[in-house]
Amino acid sequence: NAGVTQTPKFQVLKTGQSMTLQCAQDMNHEYMSWYRQDPGMGLRLIHYSVGAGITDQGEVPNGYNVSRSTTEDFPLRLLSAAPSQTSVYFCATLYVANYNSPLHFGNGTRLTVT
Amino acid sequence: DQQVKQNSPSLSVQEGRISILNCDYTNSMFDYFLWYKKYPAEGPTFLISISSIKDKNEDGRFTVFLNKSAKHLSLHIVPSQPGDSAVYFCAFTGANSKLTFGKGITLSVRP
Repeated sequence: NAGVTQTPKFQVLKTGQSMTLQCAQDMNHEYMSWYRQDPGMGLRLIHYSVGAGITDQGEVPNGYNVSRSTTEDFPLRLLSAAPSQTSVYFCATLYVANYNSPLHFGNGTRLTVT
Repeated sequence: DQQVKQNSPSLSVQEGRISILNCDYTNSMFDYFLWYKKYPAEGPTFLISISSIKDKNEDGRFTVFLNKSAKHLSLHIVPSQPGDSAVYFCAFTGANSKLTFGKGITLSVRP
């Protein structure tokens, strides 16, 4: 049982490049989300999805796109990377039937934009 | 609009002593409160939670206290162990809101 799997673990991009951060889960969780963690800022919600075909914006969505074509996968796309997007990105999932259930996090993708 | 405040970004305690981590919140709609623990190069993991109908919840060495009137949440770790050294995030949610995290507190437990 892999839980939440994020790839890649590390990535370096140049300003203006695009890339997709992958997130896959095998727990049949309906809710999936992306957070970024920055020093002194805690964890901030970027985008989330409550099920296949449904996505919505979080606290800091600008510069990021998401889609949810399957229950298992929730990729995060950076269309034109900027240095301000240098961060650690975490995918987190939840069994949506109970909003009080704790989030399950992946181990993160560390992204550097130069 | 800063809904969650963790005023002390770091804490250092001696092994065996008590660690007390604090969070304050402003949103009165929060009714469920959680603590997450994060080691370097790993994702956060759930530690303990409490609902607004309680003022204390205990799980082994970890106890979470909720003071609703003061809008104050705290985590007590007794006794502290070196393996407890990590970043701790408080998190808050309500029926109609997303999970809101604090900025994190770095705990160092000295052997």
